[in-house]
Amino acid sequence: NAGVMQNPRHLVRRRGQEARLRCSPMKGHSHVYWYRQLPEEGLKFMVYLQKENIIDESGMPKERFSAEFPKEGPSILRIQQVVRGDSAAYFCASSPGQSNNYGYTFGSGTRLTVV
Amino acid sequence: AQKITQTQPGMFVQEKEAVTLDCTYDTSDPSYGLFWYKQPSSGEMIFLIYQGSYDQQNATEGRYSLNFQKARKSANLVISASQLGDSAMYFCAMREGNTGNQFYFGTGTSLTVIP
Repeated sequence: NAGVMQNPRHLVRRRGQEARLRCSPMKGHSHVYWYRQLPEEGLKFMVYLQKENIIDESGMPKERFSAEFPKEGPSILRIQQVVRGDSAAYFCASSPGQSNNYGYTFGSGTRLTVV
Repeated sequence: AQKITQTQPGMFVQEKEAVTLDCTYDTSDPSYGLFWYKQPSSGEMIFLIYQGSYDQQNATEGRYSLNFQKARKSANLVISASQLGDSAMYFCAMREGNTGNQFYFGTGTSLTVIP
């Protein structure tokens, strides 16, 4: 039973390009969460999605960032016109439900470097 | 106010000794969950242990135990019989309510186990 799969592991983009980060949740998990980790900091919540629905995007920057979790396929975090400040590790987590008992399963992260 | 505070940026422990990593939290929600995650140098986030706010006993998982002091709002992680493989960053996190959408993470503690 594969864990949460994120790809790519490392992504380098020039300023102004688009970055697409993919996350395939664990089998049977329909809840996906995206977090961002800036250097020397803890993870910060970005967005929570269920299949085809954005449930909570209170942590998403207002511009350039978007997320989706289609009926088929992985969840995608999309960053348009990247800037140096977007350089960070982006983690995806999944869970089968919302109960507090679920220690979310995190993926290994995508490390985005903007040059 | 910070939801999660970890005041120890770095800790050292001798192999086979026990170590306590501090975590305090701030919430007015009577229902919440507290979590600890380990992040080794490879970068993935590994779930270690969970404590619910209504749990009467401290959580334990193998060599990990959570010293839960509700009145003090502290949830310290105790690692017994430290091993070299325990060297990593450790993050305390909290989720509010039974269906809170996000985890609040502390800034982490870097643990180094000395042979």
